[in-house]
Amino acid sequence: QSALTQPASVSGSPGQSITISCTGTSSDVGGYNLVSWYQQHPGKAPKLMIYEGTKRPSGVSNRFSASKSGNTASLTISGLQAEDEADYYCCSYATGSGVDVLFGGGTKVTVL
Amino acid sequence: QITLKESGPTLVKPTQTLTLTCTFSGFSFSSTGVGVGWIRQPPGKALEWLALIYWDDDKRYSPSLKSRLTITKDTSKDQVVLTMTNMDPIDTATYYCAHSPNFGETEYDSWGQGILVTVSS
Repeated sequence: QSALTQPASVSGSPGQSITISCTGTSSDVGGYNLVSWYQQHPGKAPKLMIYEGTKRPSGVSNRFSASKSGNTASLTISGLQAEDEADYYCCSYATGSGVDVLFGGGTKVTVL
Repeated sequence: QITLKESGPTLVKPTQTLTLTCTFSGFSFSSTGVGVGWIRQPPGKALEWLALIYWDDDKRYSPSLKSRLTITKDTSKDQVVLTMTNMDPIDTATYYCAHSPNFGETEYDSWGQGILVTVSS
């Protein structure tokens, strides 16, 4: 299976809201409620921000929210802060050639 | 507190077999639904999922790499081992192990620091 499609970059000013899209197919994003989102700062390990489509782990700010429409999942960051500047990856359960887990190509979020 | 740490060689030659060990604490495989996965990231590139092993020894592999991967666990040592055969320079990447809390192939809530493995002659 191919990787999920994300925009290479998204930017916004402090306090604004931004949305990152993650497009797949009916065999992955559209077929299951098993999309997760990860934040990764340079040189660091990824951090789970959203799991099972819309759930936030304990300790993750409620400024992070997620949704899905058809084959496209989205992550919204509201009240953008300087610390949100990082790479973001979507991840989805997939079927096709057996069970698979697909990551998106990543989106660089820049806080202007 | 859950912690994981990857260990193994940082330099391997093409065609060699890579063996990485993930040593963890703060959880055990006696808990139903728990898993440990491996994910890698080539320098400057995206994450790529490799494999996952569950508490009951059920295993999942990336279809594209399945023929080269083996994942095992040693519950007595709280370790998970990943082997990858026939290494190639394109396998140069940071390899992470991560904790999956609840039957979730896509949910990794704690990660190791990663180990950079370079494949070069």
